[in-house]
Amino acid sequence: GQNIDQPTEMTATEGAIVQINCTYQTSGFNGLFWYQQHAGEAPTFLSYNVLDGLEEKGRFSSFLSRSKGYSYLLLKELQMKDSASYLCAVAESSGNTPLVFGKGTRLSVIA
Amino acid sequence: ETGVTQTPRHLVMGMTNKKSLKCEQHLGHNAMYWYKQSAKKPLELMFVYSLEERVENNSVPSRFSPECPNSSHLFLHLHTLQPEDSALYLCASSQELAGLHTGELFFGEGSRLTVL
Repeated sequence: GQNIDQPTEMTATEGAIVQINCTYQTSGFNGLFWYQQHAGEAPTFLSYNVLDGLEEKGRFSSFLSRSKGYSYLLLKELQMKDSASYLCAVAESSGNTPLVFGKGTRLSVIA
Repeated sequence: ETGVTQTPRHLVMGMTNKKSLKCEQHLGHNAMYWYKQSAKKPLELMFVYSLEERVENNSVPSRFSPECPNSSHLFLHLHTLQPEDSALYLCASSQELAGLHTGELFFGEGSRLTVL
């Protein structure tokens, strides 16, 4: 089975940087996804990491360490519209099951 | 048309009612999914359809009955639900490669269900 852990809630200030961590334990690994979900809306894809290291995409970056079972999502120059839930999800290496999700981290950006 | 559309967006039903949730994907994908999202819980996979055949059930109660008439449409039939079934039900699709779930999931906006 898989176990995915991320903080329940975080608060950060507009213009600041915030890091959302995700740890996972899995019997096989084929990549880690980050999704953003605004209240009442569909989750939308943010990033995918399958190799160790940092993937940068504009204000958002995602990091993966497979040996540590650890990832983080880094959001820079925070904006009010970044207030949302951020979901960490792991793909199993066998490919027999779809993504397994963590509980999500609700980020509140304040002025 | 957006990629994955779900109707209705909101549904209130009594425990003796029968209703259905509908999902349609316009992305040409070959796999579709139902997830349940409850407060303070991770997204829970309910059903997986690959090439219109159900491949995973995940021990969902029989009061939830899925139907996939073709690769673009997915239904979730509901009957004699319980109040604890109140949740957001999300449909998603993806493109499988050689029968493996390796691709990104594309989600609909969900159907918010309240069972009285």
